[in-house]
Amino acid sequence: AQRVTQPEKLLSVFKGAPVELKCNYSYSGSPELFWYVQYSRQRLQLLLRHISRESIKGFTADLNKGETSFHLKKPFAQEEDSAMYYCALLWGNNRLAFGKGNQVVVIP
Amino acid sequence: KAGVTQTPRYLIKTRGQQVTLSCSPISGHRSVSWYQQTPGQGLQFLFEYFSETQRNKGNFPGRFSGRQFSNSRSEMNVSTLELGDSALYLCASSSQPQGAEEKLFFGSGTQLSVL
Repeated sequence: AQRVTQPEKLLSVFKGAPVELKCNYSYSGSPELFWYVQYSRQRLQLLLRHISRESIKGFTADLNKGETSFHLKKPFAQEEDSAMYYCALLWGNNRLAFGKGNQVVVIP
Repeated sequence: KAGVTQTPRYLIKTRGQQVTLSCSPISGHRSVSWYQQTPGQGLQFLFEYFSETQRNKGNFPGRFSGRQFSNSRSEMNVSTLELGDSALYLCASSSQPQGAEEKLFFGSGTQLSVL
């Protein structure tokens, strides 16, 4: 069965330090992966998707099929990066499965 | 463009009652998906509608149902409410059905409390 695992519930980093959010997936088909973000008092929104191979707000994520991972990285965290981050997998007949999320707190 | 609009914002019901939640997608979007968000289970897919047809359904009991109207507005209904149905119900819209190329736009959600 498909599954998305985000092992760390809460991640605290200092401003300017690198941040990495881990996402591992379990899926027998060809994976399509996304990162969604929810800032305080805002709606859940798409941050990036692996198919686009883009960098958004300094974040990147690389799909590693061998390790079944799609970790989100940013070399220098900013205070405005404090948010809830969700990794999501598109599976089956185009259904999205979300991980349970990572709360990121950037300490000034 | 107005964003995805969900009504009501908050709802309190008692066990055994039924409830209907509404979602108006972004203008021009024809796909509407529903998700249930709880602290324990996170975000779970309920169903997706496109052009008034249910395309996908998650692993929820038959008490959860939905529909989509010709103007793409969608409603979700939960009958015989249980305490465990207390959750934030999120609606998301996109121009095409969920896919690798599609970006979902989420509403603010309806917070349902079942007493």
